[in-house]
Amino acid sequence: EQQVQQSPASLVLQEAENAELQCSFSIFTNQVQWFYQRPGGRLVSLLYNPSGTKQSGRLTSTTVIKERRSSLHISSSQITDSGTYLCAMERGNYNVLYFGSGTKLTVEP
Amino acid sequence: NAGVIQTPRHKVTGKGQEATLWCEPISGHSAVFWYRQTIVQGLEFLTYFRNQAPIDDSGMPKERFSAQMPNQSHSTLKIQSTQPQDSAVYLCASSSGQGTNSDYTFGSGTRLLVI
Repeated sequence: EQQVQQSPASLVLQEAENAELQCSFSIFTNQVQWFYQRPGGRLVSLLYNPSGTKQSGRLTSTTVIKERRSSLHISSSQITDSGTYLCAMERGNYNVLYFGSGTKLTVEP
Repeated sequence: NAGVIQTPRHKVTGKGQEATLWCEPISGHSAVFWYRQTIVQGLEFLTYFRNQAPIDDSGMPKERFSAQMPNQSHSTLKIQSTQPQDSAVYLCASSSGQGTNSDYTFGSGTRLLVI
């Protein structure tokens, strides 16, 4: 069973539109993190958000642990936001992350 | 801080040959992780060290794959008798392991192609 589910699988936006990415977990976790990856690029941590709402620039993450879900909101999207956004959760106390399959975002001019 | 360094960036091996991948974690980080990324399977956890000790290798294929961390400055992932299905990007990550993952940092990965 896929422990981390992400939706949508892909998303195409026009520049300046907002994006809402969803993540849900099959088990309870207390560590949720969002990553970004360009094609062929390294994974970069965007937001570490175990609970509540966290913001970093145009990114806002909301995690509701008791409902086993997290979301990532990207406001005023830019062409350079294009890439894959991955949600990850920690299982147990190991610091090991389990990843969703990602949302591929394409922002067009 | 050069980040997590992985070498080589690309490796091509013939079926049945051995491949050794290297990772240099961020200085001061006590936790080192290996993952594998493919189009079909996505990101899969392989193994994890803390303070050089192996903690969890539940994601490692039991045959042919082994990982070591002989000192705090590098870890290796060795694949014996490589098979085409081993082709993937192998990622190393490190963190301070201080109860949160807020400083989780990935390397650029080694793209392994087995032909």
